[in-house]
Amino acid sequence: SAVISQKPSRDICQRGTSLTIQCQVDSQVTMMFWYRQQPGQSLTLIATANQGSEATYESGFVIDKFPISRPNLTFSTLTVSNMSPEDSSIYLCSVELAGKNTEAFFGQGTRLTVV
Amino acid sequence: TQLLEQSPQFLSIQEGENLTVYCNSSSVFSSLQWYRQEPGEGPVLLVTVVTGGEVKKLKRLTFQFGDARKDSSLHITAAQTGDTGLYLCAGERSGRPNFGNEKLTFGTGTRLTIIP
Repeated sequence: SAVISQKPSRDICQRGTSLTIQCQVDSQVTMMFWYRQQPGQSLTLIATANQGSEATYESGFVIDKFPISRPNLTFSTLTVSNMSPEDSSIYLCSVELAGKNTEAFFGQGTRLTVV
Repeated sequence: TQLLEQSPQFLSIQEGENLTVYCNSSSVFSSLQWYRQEPGEGPVLLVTVVTGGEVKKLKRLTFQFGDARKDSSLHITAAQTGDTGLYLCAGERSGRPNFGNEKLTFGTGTRLTIIP
């Protein structure tokens, strides 16, 4: 298993500003992911954070809006840039441990409110 | 795009009743997981099923993987208030060895509320 610490747990931000969310894992992992989740809804994958190279973004998400860093195998950050109220959501960091079957472990999430 | 549709989207029942949640797709998955998420927390893995027709039990929860590995169900017997939460299925793509670079596909989610 993996223990994931994500911070901040919540924040209220002014529109036009940026927020950086941090994700720390207690072991080295290959695959780290960032998801967005509207309250009560399922997960939408933003990007895969790749160690040593640029993140791989899903359709509808771009690097200028959601820059991601992955300096090593235990840490990643997601920045939500130039925020608007539409960015209000829960952002989740996840790792998938490869073994017999892929299993995902999640941080507790960051609840972002943009005013 | 491989889509995992869950039904119902919302379910509210009395404590003690039974319920079933479904997860359906037109694609084949090599394995399927079920997660439960409580408010303020990330999803937590409940079970993984890997063989077509497989049935796994976790106390009052019974999980089944369809014979064709395209669908799954979660049945809860005698629901309790502690079962309240968002239930998510997630599939791992079929036909490719797991080299550690597979993304899971998450279902649309079922929000379950158990009324005391």
